[in-house]
Amino acid sequence: NAGVMQNPRHLVRRRGQEARLRCSPMKGHSHVYWYRQLPEEGLKFMVYLQKENIIDESGMPKERFSAEFPKEGPSILRIQQVVRGDSAAYFCASSPPRGRGLLEQYFGPGTRLTVT
Amino acid sequence: GQQVMQIPQYQHVQEGEDFTTYCNSSTTLSNIQWYKQRPGGHPVFLIQLVKSGEVKKQKRLTFQFGEAKKNSSLHITATQTTDVGTYFCAGPHFGGSARQLTFGSGTQLTVLP
Repeated sequence: NAGVMQNPRHLVRRRGQEARLRCSPMKGHSHVYWYRQLPEEGLKFMVYLQKENIIDESGMPKERFSAEFPKEGPSILRIQQVVRGDSAAYFCASSPPRGRGLLEQYFGPGTRLTVT
Repeated sequence: GQQVMQIPQYQHVQEGEDFTTYCNSSTTLSNIQWYKQRPGGHPVFLIQLVKSGEVKKQKRLTFQFGEAKKNSSLHITATQTTDVGTYFCAGPHFGGSARQLTFGSGTQLTVLP
């Protein structure tokens, strides 16, 4: 059973370009979460999605950032017109459907975004 | 807003010494989870505590949930170099879904051989 997959693992973008980060949850998981982690800091919640629905995006900046989790395919975190301050590790996590035990989250390996 | 704080932020120990990290929430938690992140790696779920005063053990790791369900601790006995990493506590996001987690700031453990 493959774990949470994220790609690319490393992404370099110039200021003003777009960054697209992809996340495939664990098989059978229908809940996806995105977090941002700056060096030497904790995990900051960005957005929580289920298939075709954004449940909570309260942690996501209002501008330039968007997320989706389509019926088919991976979840996408999109950052438009990137700035240097967007440089960080972006982690995706997934959890199983309701009623299947603990609500722990399984994390992917992350995408390290560097904005030059 | 809800805050989940951990102390200490950094801890250096000699191999074989014990280590403890403390987690405090500004709100009562229905449960608390602990994760470990190795340097350059991703967070990995360790355990979840649900009951007031609960104590769980995993080999050399002992996890406690406070009676008031607002604090928790992780104690490692006789640390080894494999224990190196950052330990995060996380609780359900106040006012949000039980699935959303608010993570503490983490305690970065360094074990000196």
